[in-house]
Parts: sequence; structure tokens; C-alpha cells
Amino acid sequence: DTGVSQNPRHKITKRGQNVTFRCDPISEHNRLYWYRQTLGQGPEFLTYFQNEAQLEKSRLLSDRFSAERPKGSFSTLEIQRTEQGDSAMYLCASRGGGESYEQYFGPGTRLTVT
Amino acid sequence: QKEVEQDPGPLSVPEGAIVSLNCTYSNSAFQYFMWYRQYSRKGPELLMYTYSSGNKEDGRFTAQVDKSSKYISLFIRDSQPSDSATYLCAIMNTGFQKLVFGTGTRLLVSP
Repeated sequence: DTGVSQNPRHKITKRGQNVTFRCDPISEHNRLYWYRQTLGQGPEFLTYFQNEAQLEKSRLLSDRFSAERPKGSFSTLEIQRTEQGDSAMYLCASRGGGESYEQYFGPGTRLTVT
Repeated sequence: QKEVEQDPGPLSVPEGAIVSLNCTYSNSAFQYFMWYRQYSRKGPELLMYTYSSGNKEDGRFTAQVDKSSKYISLFIRDSQPSDSATYLCAIMNTGFQKLVFGTGTRLLVSP
């Protein structure tokens, strides 16, 4: 069990550019989540995958945001035409199947939009 | 009103003190309760998880849930400077997949 990994750890981009983040969940976990956390706040849910199917999306996920999990393993989160308000920590979490509800988080990707 | 309320602190205590961290929630449908610890610029780390009213103990940590009052607590005994972090409560309804987090309480334990 190597834990959830996220890349890159830090990303600085200029307003209007596109960015893509990657998450590798714990290997046997079929559920994957994306959250966003701004300074002084708790994480806020963005979207959820079970295997390769995206089953839930938050209203926070505007049409500039898209997430994929093509083979039910790693996931990517893309933000198009970034805005300064997108600056935040983007967190990925994974969870096993069955009656296990615990979510395990990765280290996050810190995005700064200048 | 937020679904989960948590005092942001900071809470400052001396080493060895017993720490009490609390959250209240509004939706009685919430069934699963978790506490995460988050160090600065790191991802949240799961500390405790429970789904029933009552107490659950793990080492120096005790999680307490009172569903009738919609109130959850985390107690830390013999607090250490290494416990200095932000503590996040997170609550989940099995009908939905997302965790709903409090704002986090920043804890400072001084030597």
C-alpha cells in the first residue's frame, strides 16, 4: 500500500492557460474523489468516480473543469482557461469497495494562477 | 447555515493537556463521522472513523458521537507539540458519496 499519489505537487500558471493534474489511487481502491481546498477552509467535494464511471459532480465543477478516469485506475483533472479564483489545493482521495467508507487523501496539488 | 460547523481556532494548549475539538452538524441523515489531521501544505490524514453514537478510542485519541445532539468530538490526551496541526471533522451520508467537511480547527501545542 503506497498511498494516494498526486502530480505535480505545485503548479504555477498564468490566467487563461490550461492545466492538468494526475491522481494515482491506492491500488485496490475502485472509488476515487476530487476535492478543492482554499485557505482556511475544509475540502469541498468536486467529483466522484466508481471504476471508470463518473457518478457524481458538484455544482462547483463548472464547464471549465473536466475529470476522467479512463481505465478505472489513475484519474486526471483538467482546468481550462484558468482564473485567479481557481487558485487552491486540489486533493484526490480513494476508497475501497464494500462497507468501507474511509477516504484516504493524497498530498494534493497546489495551484497558483497569476 | 453550513451543514457542518467547526470553530476555526486557533486553540493553544501546553504540552500534556487534554484537548477537546468539536463539530456540530445539521442533517440528521449523516451516518459516518471522521476526523482528519492536516499539517500545513499537506493532504488530510485520517485519524478516526466511526458510524455510531458513543466513544471510539485509539491510543491517545477518542472520538465521540452524540447523534441526538448532532455533536461530535475528538479528544487528545497527553497532547504533544507534534499534534500541532489543523483538525478537520468530516461527515458522510451513505446516500451520497461526498464527505462534508468542517472548516478545521487549528491546534497549537506548546512545549
